[in-house]
Amino acid sequence: DGGITQSPKYLFRKEGQNVTLSCEQNLNHDAMYWYRQDPGQGLRLIYYSQIVNDFQKGDIAEGYSVSREKKESFPLTVTSAQKNPTAFYLCASSMPGPSRGELFFGEGSRLTVL
Amino acid sequence: AQRVTQPEKLLSVFKGAPVELKCNYSYSGSPELFWYVQYSRQRLQLLLRHISRESIKGFTADLNKGETSFHLKKPFAQEEDSAMYYCALSFYNQGGKLIFGQGTELSVKP
Repeated sequence: DGGITQSPKYLFRKEGQNVTLSCEQNLNHDAMYWYRQDPGQGLRLIYYSQIVNDFQKGDIAEGYSVSREKKESFPLTVTSAQKNPTAFYLCASSMPGPSRGELFFGEGSRLTVL
Repeated sequence: AQRVTQPEKLLSVFKGAPVELKCNYSYSGSPELFWYVQYSRQRLQLLLRHISRESIKGFTADLNKGETSFHLKKPFAQEEDSAMYYCALSFYNQGGKLIFGQGTELSVKP
């Protein structure tokens, strides 16, 4: 069953702790993205990666880090430097060329900081 | 600044009424625009893109470069159209970066 898998679906964290959200895809897509979704603010881009071992900051990268060591995987770490980490996080992937702009999304991970 | 604006948080219409979800963008380059939809308990998915100039589920959207708008329209709304709609703008000169508007919740009442 092809698609994007995010884990965990729900995550609780104490203040001061780092947490890593997993995103795996078996669609053979080159590009992967992380967005944060907050009520009334839509989706805001955190990081994106067009190829393995390369990634770029989005609009709200502060307090987050990523890696892209494998084509299939694009984990997001929410660090203790992120001031307001409680949110819903969405991962997506896409292909270049004519299908560019068509993002395939995961089901999301909801992070709550206690 | 590059920006996508959806001025309405909530749009409520009756079944059979016309629908227009507004989207305005700010971008100095050549834009590529998209509409995404999220139905209840489903993943966010692409609805349509401006370069395709197609109608999907009765929805159309025309890019107006003069007004920097990409409004989504449907002549007769159906209850199953109730969902969250996001307008998105792509920057291919920035490695495929895609940004979204704030979203508009469409509620179609029977």
